[in-house]
Amino acid sequence: TQLLEQSPQFLSIQEGENLTVYCNSSSVFSSLQWYRQEPGEGPVLLVTVVTGGEVKKLKRLTFQFGDARKDSSLHITAAQPGDTGLYLCAGAGVGSARQLTFGSGTQLTVLP
Amino acid sequence: DTAVSQTPKYLVTQMGNDKSIKCEQNLGHDTMYWYKQDSKKFLKIMFSYNNKELIINETVPNRFSPKSPDKAHLNLHINSLELGDSAVYFCATRQGGTYEQYFGPGTRLTVT
Repeated sequence: TQLLEQSPQFLSIQEGENLTVYCNSSSVFSSLQWYRQEPGEGPVLLVTVVTGGEVKKLKRLTFQFGDARKDSSLHITAAQPGDTGLYLCAGAGVGSARQLTFGSGTQLTVLP
Repeated sequence: DTAVSQTPKYLVTQMGNDKSIKCEQNLGHDTMYWYKQDSKKFLKIMFSYNNKELIINETVPNRFSPKSPDKAHLNLHINSLELGDSAVYFCATRQGGTYEQYFGPGTRLTVT
């Protein structure tokens, strides 16, 4: 069974601070995705990383896929209250169905 | 238009009842999924389905069954509901050859 451990589980910071969320596994994934979920809604895809060592930037968010494709990180620069939400990493299996294994989530709260 | 929709949004029912949750997508995607999110926000795959194969997560009780009347719909039928079935259920879709999944808004099921 593929497992994804996400840390920290909860994070409360002040507006303007930087933060990093980690997603680790002992399994190799064909791709790694990051989602953000807000209360009462479904997860919304932020980014997909496919290649080991890949780095993608989305405005103030930087995503990195580990060289061995077992781990990933999400770094947010100068966090804003609008970044508040549940961040989920998800690893895709290698089968045709590409089922996702989700991490346990990081609840981020950015205080104004 | 909502890309992936679910009905109902909320469902409250008693133990032992049989209920269905409906999912409809207008994205033309060929693979659909059902996920369960528990009270700790952990999101777990239940089923993946396209017109060729159904993959069932081994931990899903056989009281749960996906039913697809056509390519745009994947409904979730649950027999003999139990208290532990209380959760938020999400439908998601994916186009073959891609990694990205698109989630519906979720159905909050409460079994009393």
